[in-house]
Amino acid sequence: GESVGLHLPTLSVQEGDNSIINCAYSNSASDYFIWYKQESGKGPQFIIDIRSNMDKRQGQRVTVLLNKTVKHLSLQIAATQPGDSAVYFCAENTDTGNQFYFGTGTSLTVIP
Amino acid sequence: GAGVSQSPSNKVTEKGKDVELRCDPISGHTALYWYRQRLGQGLEFLIYFQGNSAPDKSGLPSDRFSAERTGESVSTLTIQRTQQEDSAVYLCASSSPGTGSLSNQPQHFGDGTRLSIL
Repeated sequence: GESVGLHLPTLSVQEGDNSIINCAYSNSASDYFIWYKQESGKGPQFIIDIRSNMDKRQGQRVTVLLNKTVKHLSLQIAATQPGDSAVYFCAENTDTGNQFYFGTGTSLTVIP
Repeated sequence: GAGVSQSPSNKVTEKGKDVELRCDPISGHTALYWYRQRLGQGLEFLIYFQGNSAPDKSGLPSDRFSAERTGESVSTLTIQRTQQEDSAVYLCASSSPGTGSLSNQPQHFGDGTRLSIL
């Protein structure tokens, strides 16, 4: 079956630095990808999504990059703030599939 | 409220008891998902409802788990004869239908029910 995994389970960054969280996927048929942020005691919160017809999408302080050749997804957070500390999940989906497949998550800690 | 609502937020029960968890999706969202999240782990898909179609139950771990949904509204997840390994956070998510090439839509999650089996 499909698998979604993250390269780094934990990441610590200084406040104000940029953060990069990576995600690998194995299903070449996946055509929709989402990044979620999960704070302690809360449900995952949608950050940004990208479809396979794009390789980059920007939001407020966040950018998602999709490299379909190597099946790699990344989330870049600019000027990381203490409030960005959380676990970040990537999720993939195919247009014909019901299920979203989630990675195990990367824990981001921002050091003030 | 405008978000996905789950109740109860916390549930502690004895092994062997049945529990029922409730999810109120965002109004107008035809798709509804249940996930299980064990401590420090990712999300494990349980079941998916889409409109009036037959649900995708492929993620339910055993026949002790079942779920229902009334139309496009409330859903309940029932766990019978609970076991200690059922202890986890149970998350519900809903998404809007989308159209054409935008059939995939992001899921919006509730804050989950924290289930503890003694």
